[in-house]
Amino acid sequence: QVQLQQSGAELAKPGSSVKISCKASGYTFTSYYISWIKQTTGQGLEYIGYINTGSGGTNYNEKFKGKATLTVDKSSSTAFMQLSSLTPDDSAVYYCARVIAYWGQGTLVTVSS
Amino acid sequence: DVVLTQTPPTLSATIGQSVSISCRSSQSLLHSNGNTYLNWLLQRPGQPPQLLIYLVSRLESGVPNRFSGSGSGTDFTLKISGVEAEDLGVYYCVQSTHALWTFGGGTKLELK
Repeated sequence: QVQLQQSGAELAKPGSSVKISCKASGYTFTSYYISWIKQTTGQGLEYIGYINTGSGGTNYNEKFKGKATLTVDKSSSTAFMQLSSLTPDDSAVYYCARVIAYWGQGTLVTVSS
Repeated sequence: DVVLTQTPPTLSATIGQSVSISCRSSQSLLHSNGNTYLNWLLQRPGQPPQLLIYLVSRLESGVPNRFSGSGSGTDFTLKISGVEAEDLGVYYCVQSTHALWTFGGGTKLELK
C-alpha cells in the first residue's frame, strides 16, 4: 500500500536550517509529484509547493520562495524539503503528500533559541 | 490566487443530526479537462488530514456513505447525514484544479 514516511521532529535555532525527508513506498515514486504543506494552529493549512519526482522540477507558493527548497533522491524514493533562515514563524507541522489522497504522518519543526 | 471560504468555522451537532459545510471559491474550479478538483478532508486530533471526497462528489474508498459532496463552479457543500462520534474533527475543503493547492480555513465539528 502507498506509504509516506516522514523524518522525526526537529528542534532548531533561529537562523539555522533543517531538512525534512519523506520516504515513499508502495508505488512507482517517479509517477507522482510530491507536495508539501505547512500547518500551524493559527494559519491552518498552507500549500508550500510541489516537486516533479521524475524531472526534479519545482513549483512554489510565492510565500515560500526563498524559505523552502524541494529536492528528491530517486534512488531511495525520498523527497526532501529544506527550510532555511528559520524564525519562530516557521514552527509548524509539515506534511508531504502524494496527490490529495496520501499524506505523511507529519514532522514537527520547533524553532527556538 | 484562489481563495476558498469555508462556513461555518464551528459546527455543534448531536449524534444523528445532519449537518452541512459550505465552501466558496474566488474562482471557478472547473479545469480545462472538464473535471472539478474540489476535495474534502477530515483531520482528527493528532492525525494528518484524510481524504473523504474528491472531484466534488466521489467518495474515497472506505469512507462511509453518510458523507456526500455536491456543487459546481465556485460553490460546494459537504453534507453528513447522521453525525457519528468518529466524525468529530476539522473539515477542510481543498482545491487542486490550479497547480498550487489552496485550502479552506476549516470547520470544526464538535458535539453539542
